[in-house]
Amino acid sequence: GAVVSQHPSRVICKSGTSVKIECRSLDFQATTMFWYRQFPKQSLMLMATSNEGSKATYEQGVEKDKFLINHASLTLSTLTVTSAHPEDSSFYICSALQGADNSPLHFGNGTRLTVT
Amino acid sequence: GQNIDQPTEMTATEGAIVQINCTYQTSGFNGLFWYQQHAGEAPTFLSYNVLDGLEEKGRFSSFLSRSKGYSYLLLKELQMKDSASYLCAVRDWDDYKLSFGAGTTVTVRA
Repeated sequence: GAVVSQHPSRVICKSGTSVKIECRSLDFQATTMFWYRQFPKQSLMLMATSNEGSKATYEQGVEKDKFLINHASLTLSTLTVTSAHPEDSSFYICSALQGADNSPLHFGNGTRLTVT
Repeated sequence: GQNIDQPTEMTATEGAIVQINCTYQTSGFNGLFWYQQHAGEAPTFLSYNVLDGLEEKGRFSSFLSRSKGYSYLLLKELQMKDSASYLCAVRDWDDYKLSFGAGTTVTVRA
């Protein structure tokens, strides 16, 4: 089955620093990747849609200058949380779309970000 | 956008059957997905419905009625490992985005 690799799985950083999270589709090409965020005991909230070779589309309320998304190739998208604050502490999950129509989203294993 | 509702919690006994309902309202429907998520882990895909009817996959089945904006996930022969959150998600027609419900936490008791 399709595999999506996300790295790192866990990161602790200091307030004000930046953190980069990578999402790779290992055995398929993903023209579209999605970035979600999940706070404890809440559902997944879509942050942005990342399309290879073009600018990401952000959901309402998500700051594009704070959450930088780059989709440089068909197998790699990155999310950089800039000037992180404690309220950015969350579980970030990427997903990749393999083809279209009947294909489900395949999720990475998530990144637990803690900002101290 | 989508408005997706599912119960918050359900409890059932090992070996029993549990049905998780999901209702949705959407401007452009392109499929309904069910995912299982254990605490601290990413969601894993369970089932997909785009046409009305029942899809069966082993112990898990999912049903869809597009006219009613309704789906359910049926879990049979419950096992302790089935204790998890179950997420109903609806895909948008235009851009394949998935919008998730808040999830139903299922607790299986011995």
